[in-house]
Amino acid sequence: EVQLVETGGGLVQPGRSLKLSCVASGFTFNNYWMSWTRQAPGKGLEWVASITNSGGSTYYPDSVKGRFTISRDNAQNTLYLQMNSLRSEDTATYYCTVGIAAPYWGQGVMVTVSS
Amino acid sequence: DVVMTQTPVSLSLAIGQPASISCKSSQSLVHSDGKTYLSWILQRPGQSPKRLIYLVSKLDSGVPDRFSGSGSETEFTLKISRVEAEDLGVYYCWQATHFPLTFGSGTKLEIK
Repeated sequence: EVQLVETGGGLVQPGRSLKLSCVASGFTFNNYWMSWTRQAPGKGLEWVASITNSGGSTYYPDSVKGRFTISRDNAQNTLYLQMNSLRSEDTATYYCTVGIAAPYWGQGVMVTVSS
Repeated sequence: DVVMTQTPVSLSLAIGQPASISCKSSQSLVHSDGKTYLSWILQRPGQSPKRLIYLVSKLDSGVPDRFSGSGSETEFTLKISRVEAEDLGVYYCWQATHFPLTFGSGTKLEIK
């Protein structure tokens, strides 16, 4: 059974940083691209970042490019999202997903950016 | 960026009625590899999203066959042949052909 468990969320002040983790199990982690997608409270879904299976290439939308960094540790089956210069509009539930077609989603972790 | 336009915004249907949701993209979703990376996702109240359909019409494992997907290029449809109580929630289409990946704004299905 595929499991994706996100951790690292919480309340953070604007301009500060936060790092999310996603531990994966139930599939061969290093065979798959991985992604992060977020959902602001009461809003729709927004893709945040993707990384190739080797970690050699990463992709971001303009809304987070230069502030967020996706990375992975294939030895630890773990995906990361380093979020810097956080803004109030980054407040959302962040989901870890497998690949870019997202057959599997984690339970999500809440990030609140507020002073 | 590819804009995904979903209609209707909401649906209120009785158990057993059919449902149809439209998704139109601002450009063709046919990838250079020949595949069309259009998926449908359901988010039930208080839950994480769950993918139902990928590559336009392929059902994910465990998804009832009352769900079906169709379409090509820029126009796509999700159909439920007979709505059941467990189908309530918000349905999203999304494309993974072009970066940035983009989602439709969602269709909320309510059960009468």
